[in-house]
Amino acid sequence: QSALTQPPSASGSPGQSVTISCTGTSRDVGGYNYVSWYQQHPGKAPKLIIYEVSKRPSGVPHRFSASKSGNTASLTVSGLQAGDEADYYCSSYAGDNSLGVFGTGTKVTVL
Amino acid sequence: EVQLVESGGALIQPGGSLRLSCAASGLTVSRTQMSWVRQAPGKGLEWVSVTFSGGDTYYADSVRGRFTVSRDNSKNTLYLQMNSLTAEDTAIYYCAREYYTNYFDPWGQGTLVTVSS
Repeated sequence: QSALTQPPSASGSPGQSVTISCTGTSRDVGGYNYVSWYQQHPGKAPKLIIYEVSKRPSGVPHRFSASKSGNTASLTVSGLQAGDEADYYCSSYAGDNSLGVFGTGTKVTVL
Repeated sequence: EVQLVESGGALIQPGGSLRLSCAASGLTVSRTQMSWVRQAPGKGLEWVSVTFSGGDTYYADSVRGRFTVSRDNSKNTLYLQMNSLTAEDTAIYYCAREYYTNYFDPWGQGTLVTVSS
């Protein structure tokens, strides 16, 4: 499968919001409600922040929210903080007997 | 608390072989869906393999036929045997628990594999 498409970068000032898109096809993002999002700080392992399109794991702030429409999923980070500066990746299920697929990644900069 | 600890990364010459380990605590590897994901330097994440609790494993096209996943139940450890390595396999390799709805949590800290002469 081809990687899901994300914008290479996004930015916002502290307190503002930033939204990242993740575009796939009907065979992955559009076909299932199995989209997840990961935050990765430099030199660290990815960390799950959203699963099953819009669910937050315990401990993830409500400032992180997500949704899906058609073949595109979106992650919104509200009330930007310096610690939100990181790379963000989406991921989607792509059908039985196959591996899933990751997005190309988005670097979020807090101005 | 679930913890995954990878080891075995090294500098290896092209054409060589290497075995990575993922030691688990807080879960039973043989009853858990587990994946290997890699990240080349400065690049994005790439799914390498998924092993279902029943033992079936699926591989990415880029590694199929060269990489093999196995489990040692007595050590509660997942392995990734990598053969015929090329420079394109240079990456940090992470193991992660994969839930049936296709999300990963937690991830190990990763182990670096560098393929170079």
